[in-house]
Amino acid sequence: DAEITQSPRHKITETGRQVTLACHQTWNHNNMFWYRQDLGHGLRLIHYSYGVQDTNKGEVSDGYSVSRSNTEDLPLTLESAASSQTSVYFCASSESGGSEAFFGQGTRLTVV
Amino acid sequence: EDQVTQSPEALRLQEGESSSLNCSYTVSGLRGLFWYRQDPGKGPEFLFTLYSAGEEKEKERLKATLTKKESFLHITAPKPEDSATYLCAVQANDYKLSFGAGTTVTVRA
Repeated sequence: DAEITQSPRHKITETGRQVTLACHQTWNHNNMFWYRQDLGHGLRLIHYSYGVQDTNKGEVSDGYSVSRSNTEDLPLTLESAASSQTSVYFCASSESGGSEAFFGQGTRLTVV
Repeated sequence: EDQVTQSPEALRLQEGESSSLNCSYTVSGLRGLFWYRQDPGKGPEFLFTLYSAGEEKEKERLKATLTKKESFLHITAPKPEDSATYLCAVQANDYKLSFGAGTTVTVRA
């Protein structure tokens, strides 16, 4: 069965370190998204991509970057981790057009 | 800017006690409205997509409806396994999803 997987599931890192969260999907979807989820804020869009070599900023993109070198993967990099980036991160993918998005299981990141 | 507001924030129900969740939205060019279910420690799970006012979708004890300004998720005769956070999201012409903060439903046996 096609799926979307995130790794690691849990990560603790120190302030100032660079961190990369992985997202891999086997749906062959063109659209991929990264969200963060915090109490009281719901899911907020960080970055998204409509295809290989395409990346776009979402509403909370400061301090984050993504790259899309193939269809299956959209890694999220925190350039210099800050305590404000402690959150649960979700990756999602969808087909081109207005179809539903499928989510990974999430990565809980703690910055100490 | 697209906005999605869900109410109430939390809902406690007795098993069998039907109720409704509200999702009001403002979006420039609605492509679709989505309902998701999220269990603790897991990613959102897709439930329904609604595309136009007047449309309805059903799945087991859940029924979603859509008007031009809001959507309702009706839970009929809920069971404890319906306990979860229900998320509403709108998709505009750029295909991005904007989410509400969710309604946490607890169903007591």
